[in-house]
Amino acid sequence: DADVTQTPRNRITKTGKRIMLECSQTKGHDRMYWYRQDPGLGLRLIYYSFDVKDINKGEISDGYSVSRQAQAKFSLSLESAIPNQTALYFCATSATSGYQETQYFGPGTRLLVL
Amino acid sequence: AQSVAQPEDQVNVAEGNPLTVKCTYSVSGNPYLFWYVQYPNRGLQFLLKYITGDNLVKGSYGFEAEFNKSQTSFHLKKPSALVSDSALYFCAVRPLSGGYNKLIFGAGTRLAVHP
Repeated sequence: DADVTQTPRNRITKTGKRIMLECSQTKGHDRMYWYRQDPGLGLRLIYYSFDVKDINKGEISDGYSVSRQAQAKFSLSLESAIPNQTALYFCATSATSGYQETQYFGPGTRLLVL
Repeated sequence: AQSVAQPEDQVNVAEGNPLTVKCTYSVSGNPYLFWYVQYPNRGLQFLLKYITGDNLVKGSYGFEAEFNKSQTSFHLKKPSALVSDSALYFCAVRPLSGGYNKLIFGAGTRLAVHP
């Protein structure tokens, strides 16, 4: 969905390096999410944010941090990358209307940690 | 524990034949149910969702899904498969408890439609 963009699309890094993945959206949504996808495991939630002052841990937040710089921007950082963080990372957004709201996903960032 | 099961890693269908991708869930209460599709090198695209009402939900690209409360299932269906339907399909469930818009995803099912 072109309304949710992620940069970079692909990244190779080395163990111990700090990297940042960025997400921007033009949908005007308040809520933003970061997921990682691993083969056979589906998507798992890393962090989510309901507005710029509200950031919460998901089910697998260890080793990650986030920053909500503005309503439209939500960044994910790996402070010291390790090989088992090799995965496909997705950003998603949703409106603030309740549980029935659909989440819309970006194209993903493929990360390889050597 | 809350979970979503997609029992088939891969489903193979001939073009023109009907297809079914299975999903069952274990969540308390009456959750909201979603299907997403992921094409190669693309993000997840929303297909359809069940909130309430008619058990048969129609979505994008001719797909539909049938909610069965007694079997806690939400199978994705299409009457006539296309080669272009080949992709990875994810079922997701949103429990109506837990305090936030949590989505629980299944592991995904790869659909391969052969000419």
